[in-house]
Amino acid sequence: EIVLTQSPATLSLSPGERATLSCRASQSVNNYLAWYQQKPGQAPRLLMYDASNRATGIPARFSGSGSGTDFTLTISSLEPEDFAVYYCQQRSNWPLTFGGGTKVEIK
Amino acid sequence: EVQLVESGGGLVQPGGSLRLSCAASGFTFTDYRMNWVRQAPGKGLEWVSHMTSSSNTYYADSVKGRFTISRDNAKNSLYLQMNSLSAEDTAVYYCAKELTVGYHYFDYWGQGTLVTVSS
Repeated sequence: EIVLTQSPATLSLSPGERATLSCRASQSVNNYLAWYQQKPGQAPRLLMYDASNRATGIPARFSGSGSGTDFTLTISSLEPEDFAVYYCQQRSNWPLTFGGGTKVEIK
Repeated sequence: EVQLVESGGGLVQPGGSLRLSCAASGFTFTDYRMNWVRQAPGKGLEWVSHMTSSSNTYYADSVKGRFTISRDNAKNSLYLQMNSLSAEDTAVYYCAKELTVGYHYFDYWGQGTLVTVSS
């Protein structure tokens, strides 16, 4: 099973700041990695897929990069609605796995 | 508009069974593979099971042999039969649609149904 490790666990930032979230895989997943955003009481929302492709309707302030084992989700300038928990997920191997999440909170 | 509506959750005793349903609309159900993903209270996401339109299935090791995924393409519905439930299965269960064939990412999710396993 591919283990995805996200860091940091919590990121405390102010609106307008840049957020950089990391996801590291226990073995190469090529570029087969997605990012999701989840707000309290809501289902997750797909943000990025195959590392760097924005899903439909996702603002350009979200970007993704990486390949192999190291991936990054960047939010260029945090909006109030971006404070949430973010998860990465790999589709390279069965079972599909998620990272443990990074909470982006208001500083 | 794509909609996924789960039902069937509730309180069940350890060792019991439950069947979850997911009613899909707004897309051609037979064109997409479907999944169940769960989230224990206050915890992260865990993929549970996957089914193709031609009935190929995959399961997480944690549920293999206890859970069975199925679909009724005529009713645009996805199901999860859960047997031998334990406290570790307590979670919100989400039905999730795959982005497209071969892309095992989830672009639409239901609102979730809560399963609580407790005596």
